Amino acid sequence: DQQVKQNSPSLSVQEGRISILNCDYTNSMFDYFLWYKKYPAEGPTFLISISSIKDKNEDGRFTVFLNKSAKHLSLHIVPSQPGDSAVYFCAALSGGYNKLIFGAGTRLAVHP
Amino acid sequence: GAGVSQSPRYKVAKRGQDVALRCDPISGHVSLFWYQQALGQGPEFLTYFQNEAQLDKSGLPSDRFFAERPEGSVSTLKIQRTQQEDSAVYLCASSPGQGLGTEAFFGQGTRLTVV
Repeated sequence: DQQVKQNSPSLSVQEGRISILNCDYTNSMFDYFLWYKKYPAEGPTFLISISSIKDKNEDGRFTVFLNKSAKHLSLHIVPSQPGDSAVYFCAALSGGYNKLIFGAGTRLAVHP
Repeated sequence: GAGVSQSPRYKVAKRGQDVALRCDPISGHVSLFWYQQALGQGPEFLTYFQNEAQLDKSGLPSDRFFAERPEGSVSTLKIQRTQQEDSAVYLCASSPGQGLGTEAFFGQGTRLTVV
């Protein structure tokens, strides 16, 4: 059973526009969510996170929104840049636990 | 080095062969994690060490998988009698504190192909 789902395997966006990556989860015990970015042949790198007590967290061009009632979170990138082209993983963590649960990832392509 | 280092980067094993994958975490990092990433999927948790203690091995798929971190630094993931379904990228991550989250740093991974 997939507890974290990223239903869009890929997304193509024009440079300068907004990229919106979506993630759904099923486990209401998750209380911390993270987004990781992965380039080919590299390991995932942390991008941005949000605690379940918040509904928004912003860091430069990246904003993560959390809708607890819908068990849904999204990552907004604006403006999108070609260097943002990568695979983005949504991950969830429950309190006091050390096991990150990842989604399957969304491949973002930002084209000029 | 400055980051998490994994070796080898690529490994081809014949079915039934034993393999050993190495992870050098960032110096001083307390926590170390192993993940398995199958093609087209997200990483899946295998096991977690706090220093030399293996606190969670619930993700190891079978008793053919064994991990150790005897001195609380370098870790080895061993897979015995490899099978085709073991083909995946094996990722190691470390963090300075007792846990994961934003402080985790991932290595580049070892791509294992079982033929």
